[in-house]
Amino acid sequence: SYVLTQPPSVSVAPGQTARITCGGDNIGEKSLHWYQQKTGRAPILVVYDDTDRPSGIPERFSASNSGNTATLTISRVEVGDEADYYCQVWTGSTDVVFGTGTKVNVL
Amino acid sequence: QVQLVQSGAEVKRPGASVKVSCKASGYTFSNYGVSWLRQAPGQGLEWLGWISAYSGNTKYVEKVHDRINMTADTSTDTAYMELRSLRGDDTAVYYCARSGHLSYFDFWGQGTLLTVSS
Repeated sequence: SYVLTQPPSVSVAPGQTARITCGGDNIGEKSLHWYQQKTGRAPILVVYDDTDRPSGIPERFSASNSGNTATLTISRVEVGDEADYYCQVWTGSTDVVFGTGTKVNVL
Repeated sequence: QVQLVQSGAEVKRPGASVKVSCKASGYTFSNYGVSWLRQAPGQGLEWLGWISAYSGNTKYVEKVHDRINMTADTSTDTAYMELRSLRGDDTAVYYCARSGHLSYFDFWGQGTLLTVSS
């Protein structure tokens, strides 16, 4: 089965840049989506179709997807960005795969 | 604005069934599908399946395909997920989410906690 691998955690100081990777076999050939989940809350979509941001998501959130690695970049990190982040793809007509999740700690 | 409002928390015995509802508003319900996902305590996200609100066509993950049933009522803009033969490892927060066919999950319900315990 298809696996998406994320680092368990990323630590960053306020104002700095956080980069969260999502690794998978030829992931660049798939549409990749990113979700933010704060403690005790439902996930929210922050990036869809590799690079697009839904309405209301700050420009500080950007993403790329190529080869075997996708990356979510959070610029000028704020305390409110502290959350778990998940990548997600559809691998076929009947399977959705989520990454293992990355906890972003804002120091 | 798009909203998905789910039914409340449930406590069930092993072997029982549960039916969770997801009331949609703020968009044309039949133009989208609804996916159901779950998150066990301290764990990641797991997709369970998808239903087209237009046609009623469904896709289920192999893991639960023999125990799950999803329906969509266009007269009330409400989606339902029924899970049968409950086990302890079904304990999780269950989410509904709006999604197109083979697409992303752009709006989520608030979650429904299901506890399965004897």
